[in-house]
Amino acid sequence: ETGVTQSPTHLIKTRGQQVTLRCSSQSGHNTVSWYQQALGQGPQFIFQYYREEENGRGNFPPRFSGLQFPNYSSELNVNALELDDSALYLCASSLRDWGLGYTFGSGTRLTVV
Amino acid sequence: DAKTTQPPSMDCAEGRAANLPCNHSTISGNEYVYWYRQIHSQGPQYIIHGLKNNETNEMASLIITEDRKSSTLILPHATLRDTAVYYCIVLNSGGSNYKLTFGKGTLLTVNP
Repeated sequence: ETGVTQSPTHLIKTRGQQVTLRCSSQSGHNTVSWYQQALGQGPQFIFQYYREEENGRGNFPPRFSGLQFPNYSSELNVNALELDDSALYLCASSLRDWGLGYTFGSGTRLTVV
Repeated sequence: DAKTTQPPSMDCAEGRAANLPCNHSTISGNEYVYWYRQIHSQGPQYIIHGLKNNETNEMASLIITEDRKSSTLILPHATLRDTAVYYCIVLNSGGSNYKLTFGKGTLLTVNP
């Protein structure tokens, strides 16, 4: 059984640029969620994807967008990067039955300079 | 989802039981209590969850009070590798959006 893998592990971008983060969900999981974790804080929910459609969104602006592919992998895109977007971005996969728990990846550390 | 309150930090001696409390006084009938932990530089890891009854798995035990307003996560024999931030989360079983609402959690430090 493979876990959740995220790429890249670290990334440095300049303010105003665009970034794409990638996530491969755990085998058999059909739902992917993305979280942003600022330093010293708990993860904050960005959005969730199920069957290639957005299935709930947190308090993040439209420049945060995502995709889910037929193989359940996912991308997080952030446009017009701001300094405050510097954070650890976590991907979590699960089965539609939430009771089985979420499996998180180790995250992508994004630094915006 | 109901809000949770946890102490910011706790210490525990290696080999002893670690008891991490969580207050969720506004929990409603269809909300579950979940526990996750996050070891430094890793993603959160699912530990255990429960509704009303006490639960036990290979990692921990979860004790939920009868009124469901608080719970305790018990690590029976803490090791140095259990040093992590522990998050108590209340999650609604209904609806289609199963987001996890994390607070700041409890930093558990297991000392040799």
